[in-house]
Amino acid sequence: QVQLVQSGSDLKKPGASVKVSCKASGYTFTSSGMNWVRQAPGQGLEWMGWINTKTGNPTYAQGFTGRFVFSLDTSVSTAYLQISSLKAEDTAVYYCARVDRDPLTGLYYFDYWGQGTLVTVSS
Amino acid sequence: QSVVTQPPSASGTPGQRVTISCSGSNSNIGSNYVYWYQQLPGTAPKLLIYRNNQRPSGVPDRFSGSKSGTSASLAISGLRSEDEADYFCAAWDDSLSGWVFGGGTELTVL
Repeated sequence: QVQLVQSGSDLKKPGASVKVSCKASGYTFTSSGMNWVRQAPGQGLEWMGWINTKTGNPTYAQGFTGRFVFSLDTSVSTAYLQISSLKAEDTAVYYCARVDRDPLTGLYYFDYWGQGTLVTVSS
Repeated sequence: QSVVTQPPSASGTPGQRVTISCSGSNSNIGSNYVYWYQQLPGTAPKLLIYRNNQRPSGVPDRFSGSKSGTSASLAISGLRSEDEADYFCAAWDDSLSGWVFGGGTELTVL
């Protein structure tokens, strides 16, 4: 069965960096793109972008350029989200989510999600 | 503030039918498919409905989805205590060139 297992919660000081991992199992890692979604406390979900697991090419959503980097290690079926120069407003739960292709429409949608990683930024 | 709007809470008693709404615009729900997810406390979101009204295998037929214009709905019939969870909708937004999500609805089974 498909599983996305994320790294555990992390507490960081402002200005530091954090790297969140998302280990996939139960399917061929390079067959599905990986997305990242943020949920700040008391807020809704925000799509951060995605990474093409075949080519490694990332696409960042508006508001998530510069300090946010998506990367892969296909040898261990793992996607990473790195955030640098952390700010208090980066405090949130970060989810990875796989996309699958709908064979009828050819469109992609989120079918499996990781359990989420809480990143807390506080001095 | 979410681009797509959901009521923050909903409730019902066991056996009842409840409906959760998801309101968007022409650039998202009005022109693209809607997806619904269930998130039980402390767990990963789970796909409930895709392509507006299709259920993945394993999702009970108590769950159904519909869409009309720029709004969509998730209906849960024969409500059970294990349905107590957060539910959120998602759609692609052509103007933003990205996914947008509803703010989520917390369902309480009384």
